[in-house]
Amino acid sequence: DAGITQSPRHKVTETGTPVTLRCHQTENHRYMYWYRQDPGHGLRLIHYSYGVKDTDKGEVSDGYSVSRSKTEDFLLTLESATSSQTSVYFCAISFGTGFTDTQYFGPGTRLTVL
Amino acid sequence: KQEVTQIPAALSVPEGENLVLNCSFTDSAIYNLQWFRQDPGKGLTSLLLIQSSQREQTSGRLNASLDKSSGRSTLYIAASQPGDSATYLCAVLYNNNDMRFGAGTRLTVKP
Repeated sequence: DAGITQSPRHKVTETGTPVTLRCHQTENHRYMYWYRQDPGHGLRLIHYSYGVKDTDKGEVSDGYSVSRSKTEDFLLTLESATSSQTSVYFCAISFGTGFTDTQYFGPGTRLTVL
Repeated sequence: KQEVTQIPAALSVPEGENLVLNCSFTDSAIYNLQWFRQDPGKGLTSLLLIQSSQREQTSGRLNASLDKSSGRSTLYIAASQPGDSATYLCAVLYNNNDMRFGAGTRLTVKP
């Protein structure tokens, strides 16, 4: 499983509340990613990081922010959760040169926004 | 818009059958293409990665092919087993940081 954990694994929250999801890796790899998975849409990239404090936006970044203060942790924050952000969130890492290398995924976090 | 399509959305076959899963993409200027497996409630597991300069990759009973000119990739599974039941997703890397996933094909292999 490439040493990737996500927390929490399940969360239910209310509209308008802030939510932070955590991705932790034990492999000391440079690249980390956050995706969301929705029925009929496959996975869509939210943000990614290519080093400590180095991040960039993905396809669906609106309403999300990220931070990476340590190599091993990549945090995804929903500043003010909305029902459209109900989804399953996956973190991934890649070992080598970023997107051109194989990505390894965490177990996912199921978020429900009521 | 760069899109990735997987048809059919679901497939059911008897054990032992050879099968092909399809992935099509709209832009032939790709860096690579990956096939993933996803079990219910789990994350994705990478199966095969084909670079844009390659035509195919093989791993055990799995063979993935890539035809950039036609915008197609296929995942061939030989001698299917019930343990192959899962959702299979393809992902296309269009440039250095734009990866697009298909919605997946849910495969059921019946004993």
